[in-house]
Amino acid sequence: ELKVEQNPLFLSMQEGKNYTIYCNYSTTSDRLYWYRQDPGKSLESLFVLLSNGAVKQEGRLMASLDTKARLSTLHITAAVHDLSATYFCAVDPLFGNEKLTFGTGTRLTIIP
Amino acid sequence: DVKVTQSSRYLVKRTGEKVFLECVQDMDHENMFWYRQDPGLGLRLIYFSYDVKMKEKGDIPEGYSVSREKKERFSLILESASTNQTSMYLCASSLPSPRDKGGWTQYFGPGTRLLVL
Repeated sequence: ELKVEQNPLFLSMQEGKNYTIYCNYSTTSDRLYWYRQDPGKSLESLFVLLSNGAVKQEGRLMASLDTKARLSTLHITAAVHDLSATYFCAVDPLFGNEKLTFGTGTRLTIIP
Repeated sequence: DVKVTQSSRYLVKRTGEKVFLECVQDMDHENMFWYRQDPGLGLRLIYFSYDVKMKEKGDIPEGYSVSREKKERFSLILESASTNQTSMYLCASSLPSPRDKGGWTQYFGPGTRLLVL
């Protein structure tokens, strides 16, 4: 059974600081996705990572994928309040059939 | 613009009732999914469908069924609602994507928050 673990589950950080969210998964995969969810809202796609070493950046967020370590990171640079949300990673196993397995999410709160 | 809609944002039902949750997408996507989201558990896949009249069980199909009579519409049915089915239900859709064609994104609807009393 594929397991996807995120840590931390909760993260409270001050504006202007940097931090990293980690996503570990238990099976071979070459496709990993990051989503964002605002309170009371649905999920919005952030990044699609498709190969070992893939790096994607959008504004203050940067995601990377290390398929050998079965690890993806979401790095936040100089956090601002509007990045407060819950972030999910999701994994599509190499021999899967387009089903995603989601992590439990990281609730990020940026404090002014 | 990509659009996935769900029939209700909030729903209150009684134990034992039959409940229908509807999802419609306007992107001509082949794949459609139903998830439930619970605090501390993330999203868990209930059922998915690759095409009209095709369905496959996800990780937690017990107590649920689905129907896909048209490509754009995917319904989740709770045959006899129970209190442990109180949850947020999210529908998503995507294009199929062979591995040599790159990845794909699931587009999510706004969710239906269901309370079973």
